[in-house]
Amino acid sequence: EIVLTQSPGTLSLSPGGRATLSCRASQGVSSKSLAWYHHKPGQSPRLLIHNTVTRATGTPDRFSGTGSGTDFTLTITNMRPEDFGVYYCLQYGRSPFTFGPGTKVDIK
Amino acid sequence: EVQLSESGGGLVQPGGSLRLSCTSSVFPFHNYAMNWVRLAPGKGLEWVSAISGSGTGTYYADFVKGRFTISRDNSNKTLFLQMNSLRAEDTAVYYCAKNWYLEDWGQGTPVIVSS
Repeated sequence: EIVLTQSPGTLSLSPGGRATLSCRASQGVSSKSLAWYHHKPGQSPRLLIHNTVTRATGTPDRFSGTGSGTDFTLTITNMRPEDFGVYYCLQYGRSPFTFGPGTKVDIK
Repeated sequence: EVQLSESGGGLVQPGGSLRLSCTSSVFPFHNYAMNWVRLAPGKGLEWVSAISGSGTGTYYADFVKGRFTISRDNSNKTLFLQMNSLRAEDTAVYYCAKNWYLEDWGQGTPVIVSS
């Protein structure tokens, strides 16, 4: 099983700030098989990015994904109030698929 | 807009069974793999199971192998999760999600395993 580790666990930011979220895998992950999700309480999770770099329909361009191998990054620029919540990475290249534990981004 | 709607959750005793359903507006449904994902209270997202578009390929998290079975009815655009031998730690909101990379999600159905 591929274990994903996310850091930091919590990130406090002001609106307009920049967030850099890390997702590290215990084994190499295909760049076509890494996705990022945003989850807010009371809502269903929402896909932001798949295939490491491809924004989902409706994902603003202030969200960008990079990485390869075992190290992946989600960068959010110009943070807006609606961007706060928990961000998860997922590898879907090898079964069992696995999520990271999440990074909580809250308002400073 | 894709719509996914889960049902079948509820309160069940440990050792009991439930069958979750996910009806879909996805067209053509058989073109897409489907997944089940859960969110337990106070925890993070957990991938549970996936099934290929044709239904011939099924995949499971280790913690549900031998207890849960994923299936689909492509003619009725419905996904299922048969859950047997339920444990307290299976308590969670269960979501269905479209495509290998969980492109669209339903609203979730709660499962509570308690005596």
